[in-house]
Amino acid sequence: AQKVTQAQTEISVVEKEDVTLDCVYETRDTTYYLFWYKQPPSGELVFLIRRNSFDEQNEISGRYSWNFQKSTSSFNFTITASQVVDSAVYFCALSEDPNFGNEKLTFGTGTRLTIIP
Amino acid sequence: DTGVSQDPRHKITKRGQNVTFRCDPISEHNRLYWYRQTLGQGPEFLTYFQNEAQLEKSRLLSDRFSAERPKGSFSTLEIQRTEQGDSAMYLCASSPLGDTRLYEQYFGPGTRLTVT
Repeated sequence: AQKVTQAQTEISVVEKEDVTLDCVYETRDTTYYLFWYKQPPSGELVFLIRRNSFDEQNEISGRYSWNFQKSTSSFNFTITASQVVDSAVYFCALSEDPNFGNEKLTFGTGTRLTIIP
Repeated sequence: DTGVSQDPRHKITKRGQNVTFRCDPISEHNRLYWYRQTLGQGPEFLTYFQNEAQLEKSRLLSDRFSAERPKGSFSTLEIQRTEQGDSAMYLCASSPLGDTRLYEQYFGPGTRLTVT
């Protein structure tokens, strides 16, 4: 069975500080996909990134960066120079290879991030 | 660009009543998913359609729940004899068939159900 753990329930940082959200996953599949979604107060899930299990390159997109380490089954998310608009609940998710099954996402419990102005 | 839409956005019902939610996926998306999200939790998978075929149902989906996707377009999720434990946000997502290296699920705004 697949499992995603986000141990940080809530994080608060002052604006402009950097913050890292942790994600640890469990799966027996050799091919899988990892995701991060943002859920602002409006409630709609916003896709941030997808990474497949064969691509361990770190990725940077503006102030966002992701560190995928297969050896520790972790897929951490860092926001640099945080802004108030980054305040939201962030979910890490895992899915199996869609070639062999459906793409249902297994989500973690989320990390509520509050940026203090 | 039309995204996934869900109707209604909010529903308040009394225990024991039946409710039905609708999801309109992005046009030409073959795959459609229903998830349920309770307060303080991540979304949990309920069921999945590929075109009109319902291919998987979670154990969370009790006999009181039924989902359909006639003609492979919009989908409905019905809950019969609602219970207070059914209070949650019901999310719909869709994704296209095709290059699986590029896929992602696009989520709708959700239907918030409150059972009193």
